[in-house]
Amino acid sequence: GDSVTQMEGPVTLSEEAFLTINCTYTATGYPSLFWYVQYPGEGLQLLLKATKADDKGSNKGFEATYRKETTSFHLEKGSVQVSDSAVYFCALRNDYKLSFGAGTTVTVRA
Amino acid sequence: NAGVTQTPKFQVLKTGQSMTLQCAQDMNHEYMSWYRQDPGMGLRLIHYSVGAGITDQGEVPNGYNVSRSTTEDFPLRLLSAAPSQTSVYFCASLKPNTGELFFGEGSRLTVL
Repeated sequence: GDSVTQMEGPVTLSEEAFLTINCTYTATGYPSLFWYVQYPGEGLQLLLKATKADDKGSNKGFEATYRKETTSFHLEKGSVQVSDSAVYFCALRNDYKLSFGAGTTVTVRA
Repeated sequence: NAGVTQTPKFQVLKTGQSMTLQCAQDMNHEYMSWYRQDPGMGLRLIHYSVGAGITDQGEVPNGYNVSRSTTEDFPLRLLSAAPSQTSVYFCASLKPNTGELFFGEGSRLTVL
């Protein structure tokens, strides 16, 4: 079945540092890929998405590129802020089935 | 818009008790789903529905029932709660064109 593997956390960074969270997937067909973010005490919300190979999703300074050859969708941000502290989930959708990674907790210190 | 509304936000049960987690959405989404979130395990799909009158099992359906009598509502029932069902539960609906999931704020359930 489909699955998503993302790097384990927690990740602790200083403000303005570069953030990368690795995500790889296993799926049949042509899934859509997503990054969701969960701020403390809240539900998940969509951060960015890509629907086909070589698409780049971007939002709030975050970027991720759909790499079919390496089955990856790594999340990056060049300069993090304290407000980026959250749990980040990589996910894929194949038809109506959605699969999530385990989540990576990111803490940004001032 | 209210989006996806879940109730209750917090609940404590004793082993063997039953309860229903309510979920309602006002976006006219056909697809709705229930997930549980446990530390280190991400979100796991419990049940989902692609429209009124249609439900199907997800990854971890045992111990849970669902029904979908209307497009708006998708309740999750625990018939006989067990400590292993202590978790945070999220309801979500899917916007069809974009594939984006809209989540409720979550329901934290503790089974003693």
